[in-house]
Amino acid sequence: DIVMTQSPDSLAVSLGERATINCKSSQSVLYSSNNKNYLTWYQQKPGQPPKLLIYWASTRESGVPDRFSGTGSGTDFTLTISSLQAEDVAVYYCQQYYSSPSTFGPGTKVDIK
Amino acid sequence: EVQLVESGGGLVKPGGSLRLSCAASGFTFSSYTMNWVRQAPGKGLEWVSSISGSSSYIYYADSVKGRFTISRDNAKNSLYLQMNSLRAEDTAVYYCARDPVGSTRTYYFDYWGQGTLVTVSS
Repeated sequence: DIVMTQSPDSLAVSLGERATINCKSSQSVLYSSNNKNYLTWYQQKPGQPPKLLIYWASTRESGVPDRFSGTGSGTDFTLTISSLQAEDVAVYYCQQYYSSPSTFGPGTKVDIK
Repeated sequence: EVQLVESGGGLVKPGGSLRLSCAASGFTFSSYTMNWVRQAPGKGLEWVSSISGSSSYIYYADSVKGRFTISRDNAKNSLYLQMNSLRAEDTAVYYCARDPVGSTRTYYFDYWGQGTLVTVSS
């Protein structure tokens, strides 16, 4: 199975500042035939199900604010919140769907400093 | 509006069985691969099982293979998870989730239900 790791485990950022979350896969999730990275980011607020933010590593889901962006390729990926808002307090998960079973990272908790 | 509503969770003893249901609405259910994803209390997410639109392709996580059975009834717009030989480590919130890409394998999940809690304890 592909193992997903995330760093840091948690971070606290001031309102309006940038938050950066890293995700690393134990093997490449870049599919050479279509040059797509099979990597997704979700946001989960307390008591709620996960919400899709980013798929194919960098494509923002409809309705997701443009302060959320995904970058990276191969084994190393980053989710950036360019200007943290109070409503962004949540746990963020990456997921690979390159190979079965699809696996998730352990999550990164984002709080307000 | 896409809606996924799970039901059937509860408290069950180790070795017992439970059947979860997910009622879908707001989209053409038969056109999408559907999944169960679980989350143990205070823990991360774990994909459990998936089933293609026509039920031709079914997959399970190793942790539940041979104990859980996924199925669907497209006429009723419903997804099911039959869980047998339950263990304490199966305790989790179980989410029904739609795969927007579909086809013969699992991709990612664009809509999730609110989840139903399964507690396995004596």
